[in-house]
Amino acid sequence: DIQMTQSPSSLSASVGDRVTITCRASQSISSYLNWYQQKPGKAPKLLIYTASSLQSGVPSRFSGSGSGTDFTLTVSSLQPEDFATYYCQQSYSTPRTFGQGTNVEIK
Amino acid sequence: EVQLVETGGGLIQPGGSLRISCAASGFTVSSNYMSWVRQTPGKGLEWVSIIYSGGSTYYAGSVKGRFTISRDNSKNILYLQMNSLRAEDTAVYYCARTYDYGDSDAFDIWGQGTMVTVSS
Repeated sequence: DIQMTQSPSSLSASVGDRVTITCRASQSISSYLNWYQQKPGKAPKLLIYTASSLQSGVPSRFSGSGSGTDFTLTVSSLQPEDFATYYCQQSYSTPRTFGQGTNVEIK
Repeated sequence: EVQLVETGGGLIQPGGSLRISCAASGFTVSSNYMSWVRQTPGKGLEWVSIIYSGGSTYYAGSVKGRFTISRDNSKNILYLQMNSLRAEDTAVYYCARTYDYGDSDAFDIWGQGTMVTVSS
């Protein structure tokens, strides 16, 4: 199974900050990497698919990059509604696997 | 409106069986890939199973041989039959449409989740 490791596990940031979250795969997954946002008590929401494609309806302040084993999710200017937990997930092989999550908290 | 609604969760004793359901609206289950994903506080998000539009099914190693994914095309419902349940199967279970982008896929629509608790 492909292991996905996110860093950091948590971070504190202020509204307006630029935030970057990293995801590393245990082997090359080309660009088969998705990002999700989850708020407490809610289901995850797809933000980015195939490493850098923005899902319909997702604000353009969210962006993704990377290929191979190293990927990043960037929020260019953090908004109050962006405080949540973010997960990466590989779609390169079965079983699909997720990172452990990054909790973005208000500073 | 495109929507998924899970039902059927509850408290079940170890070794017991439970079937959870996921009713879809706004799209056709049988024309899409559909997955079950579960979430526990300790282990985060874990993919459980997928059924492809052609009918092929795959399972996580942790549930293989105990869980069965299926669908009722006439009712547009996805199911997960869970047998020989263990305490470690306790989780919120989500169904998710697994959208095929051609050469990749992602979980683009999720249900609200149903809680399954395995305990005596």
